[in-house]
Amino acid sequence: GAGVSQSPSNKVTEKGKDVELRCDPISGHTALYWYRQSLGQGLEFLIYFQGNSAPDKSGLPSDRFSAERTGGSVSTLTIQRTQQEDSAVYLCASSLFTAGGPYEQYFGPGTRLTVT
Amino acid sequence: GIQVEQSPPDLILQEGANSTLRCNFSDSVNNLQWFHQNPWGQLINLFYIPSGTKQNGRLSATTVATERYSLLYISSSQTTDSGVYFCAGGGNTGNQFYFGTGTSLTVIP
Repeated sequence: GAGVSQSPSNKVTEKGKDVELRCDPISGHTALYWYRQSLGQGLEFLIYFQGNSAPDKSGLPSDRFSAERTGGSVSTLTIQRTQQEDSAVYLCASSLFTAGGPYEQYFGPGTRLTVT
Repeated sequence: GIQVEQSPPDLILQEGANSTLRCNFSDSVNNLQWFHQNPWGQLINLFYIPSGTKQNGRLSATTVATERYSLLYISSSQTTDSGVYFCAGGGNTGNQFYFGTGTSLTVIP
């Protein structure tokens, strides 16, 4: 079956512009995460969606970052007025959700964002 | 949040050698996973191991949840094992999933 897909794979944008990054989770996975990975670093949690529940936005670094998930499937991460420090790889993951909470996460290939 | 410490940070092995990577958590975690990030940046699932021991070919992992650590064993290493190995887990409250800073492994022929 298809894994998690993300688009675009690469995005170069000018400082101050807005960008949208897309994530298509594995079919049937109700839990979806966004992470950010700066060069040579670990992954930084950004936001979590589970079904129809209100998203956990506690990891978003500023109000320039927002995300939505339409129909419980596809998610879009939007960064407004991009800054150079936003340059990173943005990774999406999805998982099943069980009575015990989120299960094993599967990652997409990421979107490499470069802000010039 | 939960701190995740991985050791060693860097490791260079001769092909065929064995190694042990360690992951310590500052608090109890659930849904503990090990990942391999290949040179193209893709995170590949190695183990989902909240507790106990699992084996998959040359790799095995052990998690001792009561002592908040996990170990990843790589035997008979190959050059294709090179990359960065991450462990990660979720806290018992909230939805965050916490990653370590990784172990960078280089296997030389």
